[in-house]
Amino acid sequence: AQKVTQAQTEISVVEKEDVTLDCVYETRDTTYYLFWYKQPPSGELVFLIRRNSFDEQNEISGRYSWNFQKSTSSFNFTITASQVVDSAVYFCALSMVKTSYDKVIFGPGTSLSVIP
Amino acid sequence: DTEVTQTPKHLVMGMTNKKSLKCEQHMGHRAMYWYKQKAKKPPELMFVYSYEKLSINESVPSRFSPECPNSSLLNLHLHALQPEDSALYLCASSQDGRTAQDEQYFGPGTRLTVT
Repeated sequence: AQKVTQAQTEISVVEKEDVTLDCVYETRDTTYYLFWYKQPPSGELVFLIRRNSFDEQNEISGRYSWNFQKSTSSFNFTITASQVVDSAVYFCALSMVKTSYDKVIFGPGTSLSVIP
Repeated sequence: DTEVTQTPKHLVMGMTNKKSLKCEQHMGHRAMYWYKQKAKKPPELMFVYSYEKLSINESVPSRFSPECPNSSLLNLHLHALQPEDSALYLCASSQDGRTAQDEQYFGPGTRLTVT
């Protein structure tokens, strides 16, 4: 069975602190994709990153970085020098590559509050 | 243009009303989705249209009826809803109509209240 776990339900940090959001996934497939989405209070989910199972290279985009480790089935997300605008719910998600369409599995989300 | 638009933004309807939610994208994406999201929960998939054909129906009650008039438009027709159907309804699209490997682009959602 496929599953995504985000053990941190809510996190609060003070502005400029670094914060890491954890994501652990389960799948028996060898080919799959992992995603992170951000949902600010306005409601719209915003795509942040997609990573396929064959690419374990870490990625950095500005203050955001992602650490993908197949050995621990984790795809963690770090925000460096957090800002108030980072306050949102963050979802990690998993999809498999199959011949027929299948759905994306979302984790339960982590609510991040950045306090000024 | 990576925009998915949804109308209306807010909708209040009675249990006997009929209403429709609309979604539009002009990115040439071949898959479109309806999700339902309750407070403090992840989006819950309702329907997927792939190349304008319904490919996934997640056992959604028949009071929700999707329609895909063309590759850019997606509607969700609502009839005889229950108060527990109150939620944020999100539309999304992705480029690949065959698999779930592409990122999805979401609209701002319609916040529905059933009275």
